[in-house]
Parts: sequence; C-alpha cells; structure tokens
Amino acid sequence: QSALSQPASVSGSPGQSITISCTGTISDVGGYNYVSWHQHHPGKAPKLIIYDVTKRPSGLSNRFSGSKSGNTASLTISGLQAEDEADYYCSSFTGSNTWVFGGGTKLTVL
Amino acid sequence: QVQLVESGGGVVQPGRSLRLSCVASGFTFNSYGMHWVRQAPGKGLEWVAIFWYDGSNEYYAESVKGRFTISRDNSKNTMYLQMNSLRAEDTAVYYCAKDVGIATPRGISNWGQGTLVTVSS
Repeated sequence: QSALSQPASVSGSPGQSITISCTGTISDVGGYNYVSWHQHHPGKAPKLIIYDVTKRPSGLSNRFSGSKSGNTASLTISGLQAEDEADYYCSSFTGSNTWVFGGGTKLTVL
Repeated sequence: QVQLVESGGGVVQPGRSLRLSCVASGFTFNSYGMHWVRQAPGKGLEWVAIFWYDGSNEYYAESVKGRFTISRDNSKNTMYLQMNSLRAEDTAVYYCAKDVGIATPRGISNWGQGTLVTVSS
C-alpha cells in the first residue's frame, strides 16, 4: 500500500487560510469515508483534528475543516495562528482492511 | 480522559525480539479497536497493525507481516506488539492508538506518547 500524497510543505501568515491536500486512489480515499487528519508537534503525541472526512472532535476549534472530492481529501485551517505550526498527516482506511498515512505536510506560520 | 501509556522500547540487536505494551484507561477498552503506528527518525507516520475490539480480526502493514504480532488482553486493558526478526529499518518511535469507532474501526482518535525502539548491533 503506497502512502497517500501530500505536499511536503505549506505556509501562511497569521489570520490567513491554508489548505492541505491528500491524494489517494479509489482503493482508499476515494472508496471510503474514513479519512482523518492528525496534527503532530515533534516530540509530542499526535492529535486528531478531523475524522470521517469532515467531523471535528468535541472541543476542537472550528478553524479546522475537512472535505473530500473523488480521490482527494483536503484539510483547511482558517485564521492561522502561531500554534498551528506543526506537521499534518492524513490517513485513510483501505480496501485491504488496513490503514495508510500520507507522507506529512509541514505547516509554517510566517 | 483517554490515556494510553506505552512501554517496552529499548535497544535491540538485529534479528532479536522485543515486546511492546500499551496500558489503556479512561474508556471502555473492550469496545474499541486498537492500532500501532510508528515513526522512523526524520520520517512520517507509518501504520503498523490493528486488533479489533473483540479479537475477531487483526491486520498488518506489508512491511511487518509475518514478523510482528498484535494482541490484547481486555481483562487488563492492555495491548501488545510482539516484534520478531527485527531489522534496522524497524527503528522508530512506536505509538499505541485508540480507534474512534465503537466496534467497527473508523480511524485513530487518541494517541499515546510513544516508545522508542532502536535496532542496532
């Protein structure tokens, strides 16, 4: 199972919005609505920010939103804040009853 | 709140074995699937394995199939990862993770802090 494709890096200024894409195939992202996004500050435990493509965990800021079109899922962060600077990973269920992550995207807040 | 605490990491020689443990608390352990995920130094996250809530199914990444075995003891709220025939490329931080879905797995909702496994002679 090949890793999902994410841009290596994105950047934005405080207050701006950014979108991170996650491209797979019909066998993973395109075939199931079990896409999630995780925020990872190096040295800390990763944190779930989006699950089931569009759902936010209880208590998480509505600045984070998810969507999907075909084989590509997207994470949008609006109103960028300094603490949003982290690595972001998408993940999807696959037809092999396994899971696959994207390669990760480093978000820099300028 | 959900807590996942891994242990058992360390330095091990190539070809040897190691068993990781993950003790869970703050939720009904026997209702959720549990995952292992790893991150090699300087690399991204890699899904390793899942064990369904009731033990009915277990699935592995191709990179570990036949060498790693996932298991759980619902009476102890504990999950294990038995790693055999370890290779240098298995060097990573190993994370224990809880699934978001009750019974049917839907993806990871909570993560542990991780335990470092270093395979080196």
